[in-house]
Amino acid sequence: NAGVTQTPKFRVLKTGQSMTLLCAQDMNHEYMYWYRQDPGMGLRLIHYSVGEGTTAKGEVPDGYNVSRLKKQNFLLGLESAAPSQTSVYFCASSYGRAAGYNEQFFGPGTRLTVL
Amino acid sequence: GQQLNQSPQSMFIQEGEDVSMNCTSSSIFNTWLWYKQDPGEGPVLLIALYKAGELTSNGRLTAQFGITRKDSFLNISASIPSDVGIYFCAGQAALNQAGTALIFGKGTTLSVSS
Repeated sequence: NAGVTQTPKFRVLKTGQSMTLLCAQDMNHEYMYWYRQDPGMGLRLIHYSVGEGTTAKGEVPDGYNVSRLKKQNFLLGLESAAPSQTSVYFCASSYGRAAGYNEQFFGPGTRLTVL
Repeated sequence: GQQLNQSPQSMFIQEGEDVSMNCTSSSIFNTWLWYKQDPGEGPVLLIALYKAGELTSNGRLTAQFGITRKDSFLNISASIPSDVGIYFCAGQAALNQAGTALIFGKGTTLSVSS
């Protein structure tokens, strides 16, 4: 099992450009999440999904959109990138929310720089 | 919203020393998780706690779920250079509360000198 994979690993964008980050998991998890990590800020939830075809906003959703067309994939889109979106993005997945099923497994991250 | 206070923010220790870090919250949690993040990698789960008062060990790591359900600590004994990294606590509120599944602390950065 590959676990949680993310593509790309690195990306540099110019302000105003768009891009999509792809997350894939092969653990048959229902829940998937997108976080951003900035120095001194820890992990902040952007959007999450509790199942195929559903998405919900997290703590910092502005400027991002997501889609979960297939259970194993969770896409994060930036329609018009801004320098404030320079960050490391992590995808995670879990079976669910109940105790014992809510352990989140993380991907290796995507380092995004917006110039 | 719910917040976790994780301390200390950073630690600089000598190889062989013991380490202790903790997380506190004003809210009750029914799950506490401890993750470690190596440089350039994603967080990896170290220990999961599901019962108030539970004490769980994983090798040199020991974590406890506070009896009040509002805190947790992680101890590392006899530290080694590969313990270097950022340690995150994460908690989940009771199922009937709306919002995200896990709340993460801001991390404790551990440096170990040999």
